[in-house]
Amino acid sequence: QKEVEQNSGPLSVPEGAIASLNCTYSDRGSQSFFWYRQYSGKSPELIMSIYSNGDKEDGRFTAQLNKASQYVSLLIRDSQPSDSATYLCAVNEDSNYQLIWGAGTKLIIKP
Amino acid sequence: EAQVTQNPRYLITVTGKKLTVTCSQNMNHEYMSWYRQDPGLGLRQIYYSMNVEVTDKGDVPEGYKVSRKEKRNFPLILESPSPNQTSLYFCASSLAGGWETQYFGPGTRLLVL
Repeated sequence: QKEVEQNSGPLSVPEGAIASLNCTYSDRGSQSFFWYRQYSGKSPELIMSIYSNGDKEDGRFTAQLNKASQYVSLLIRDSQPSDSATYLCAVNEDSNYQLIWGAGTKLIIKP
Repeated sequence: EAQVTQNPRYLITVTGKKLTVTCSQNMNHEYMSWYRQDPGLGLRQIYYSMNVEVTDKGDVPEGYKVSRKEKRNFPLILESPSPNQTSLYFCASSLAGGWETQYFGPGTRLLVL
């Protein structure tokens, strides 16, 4: 059974600090990794995708991938109250049609 | 505007009464899928379709049917709904498959009494 694990939280972070979200996955054949943000009552939307080991930065967001240790993380710098949401990690095996999703981490940014 | 639409957005029904949730995308995407989301369980894939007339089971297909007669539409059918199908349902589409950005519809909240 392929699994993607996330700490459900809530993770509480002061405004302006760095929020660090982690995700581990079980399938070593995984090749594509995604972070989606989901506001309460809304649908998920893509924040970052990462395909190779290392860091990928986009504005205040940095995704980090370590395939040897089978984890992917998302860092949010200068956290804002608008970043408060549930963050979903999703993993795809090499060109497989399915995505495997984690249950999500609820992030709360405190003003 | 590029989008995925779902109807209805909210639905209350009774056990055993057949229902259909429609999903339509206007982005000419090949890949479409249905998910259910339950507290603490995250998104679980019900069915997916790689192209017209090509569908496959996801992780939780029991009690559901789908069809893909046209590229843009991917309806979800509950032939005989039961209370354990009470959930939040999302339709999603992408250009070709699970390795690409998924675009989600707004969701359908279903309550089966």
